[in-house]
Amino acid sequence: AQSVAQPEDQVNVAEGNPLTVKCTYSVSGNPYLFWYVQYPNRGLQFLLKYITGDNLVKGSYGFEAEFNKSQTSFHLKKPSALVSDSALYFCAVRDPLYSSASKIIFGSGTRLSIRP
Amino acid sequence: DTGVSQDPRHKITKRGQNVTFRCDPISEHNRLYWYRQTLGQGPEFLTYFQNEAQLEKSRLLSDRFSAERPKGSFSTLEIQRTEQGDSAMYLCASSYREGLNEQYFGPGTRLTVT
Repeated sequence: AQSVAQPEDQVNVAEGNPLTVKCTYSVSGNPYLFWYVQYPNRGLQFLLKYITGDNLVKGSYGFEAEFNKSQTSFHLKKPSALVSDSALYFCAVRDPLYSSASKIIFGSGTRLSIRP
Repeated sequence: DTGVSQDPRHKITKRGQNVTFRCDPISEHNRLYWYRQTLGQGPEFLTYFQNEAQLEKSRLLSDRFSAERPKGSFSTLEIQRTEQGDSAMYLCASSYREGLNEQYFGPGTRLTVT
């Protein structure tokens, strides 16, 4: 069965510092991995995805994520945090060997708080 | 704005009443998904459509829930005989063609059952 875990409920970072939001996954085959961000009173917004290829994926708003197959991780990173990055971040995984063509599983979310 | 839209944004209903939500996907997207999100949790998959065909339903989707996408465009999600446990944010998403493509989400409909 496919699953995804976000071990930190909250991450606090000072503005200008690098940030990391952690994600680990469990799938039967090679995973498709996604990061989404949710701002208050707004829908989830797509940030980036890993399907195949380079392990370092670049996405929107200066975010990037590194796929690590041996550690089954897909951590979200940004070199320099902005106060406006404060939001709820979700990691998601799709297992291509799973019966559904499109079902993705979301983690429980990590609240990122950037202090000025 | 040509994103995914949902209506209504908020719905308060009494236990036992029926409610219906609407989702309008991005026009060229042929896949449409419904999710449920409760406080402190990530979205949970409910069902998805490819064009007008409903291809998968989660076990979370009890017999009281039904979804349709009659012309392959907008979709409706109906909950009959609502229960307090149905209180949640109901999210709709759409994607273009294949499952490799990311899903685009609407703002959600927040349901409160009193």
